[in-house]
Amino acid sequence: GAVVSQHPSRVICKSGTSVKIECRSLDFQATTMFWYRQFPKQSLMLMATSNEGSKATYEQGVEKDKFLINHASLTLSTLTVTSAHPEDSSFYICSARSGLAGRYNEQFFGPGTRLTVL
Amino acid sequence: AQKITQTQPGMFVQEKEAVTLDCTYDTSDPSYGLFWYKQPSSGEMIFLIYQGSYDQQNATEGRYSLNFQKARKSANLVISASQLGDSAMYFCAMRGPTGANSKLTFGKGITLSVRP
Repeated sequence: GAVVSQHPSRVICKSGTSVKIECRSLDFQATTMFWYRQFPKQSLMLMATSNEGSKATYEQGVEKDKFLINHASLTLSTLTVTSAHPEDSSFYICSARSGLAGRYNEQFFGPGTRLTVL
Repeated sequence: AQKITQTQPGMFVQEKEAVTLDCTYDTSDPSYGLFWYKQPSSGEMIFLIYQGSYDQQNATEGRYSLNFQKARKSANLVISASQLGDSAMYFCAMRGPTGANSKLTFGKGITLSVRP
């Protein structure tokens, strides 16, 4: 199957700093990328949907100024957690969907990034 | 609005036996897709199986099969011949409404533990 990478896999930062997480589709062009957040033992909650070259669409309750998403190319999306606080500590997972006909149903997930804010 | 319900708190199965993980859904969209993902302790989401709402036959992928009962709005996952490596969290998900920005909605997940 297709591969989606995330970097870094784990990050620990001080409160007030900003953290950038990269998501790359390695062997296909992702017209749409998604960012999810997952707390321990809980489900994945969609934060935002981004299409290449356009502004991200945020889910209700997600602060767009707090979680900046950039989908600069068909293979790269970034999530920046600005002025991180301990309550932002979570597991962040990106997902990428191919726009190719016949592969529309395929949505692949990155390995996730565990963020710990001290 | 879409909704996925997984109510089993935790499941245990003996190695080599079959197990069924329950999933019910609700949507007003006539066209939708149903997915099952496995999440081991490492955290990565592994795609297992897909069922389209218009598919006539139940989906199968190796040891995984999806028992799709459209009238009852259920999409249970059946794992045959369980292996120790099957121990993980399992999520049922639905995608809709139709369109380029259709989104996956996840259930809360089920923990499966395979006993040797």
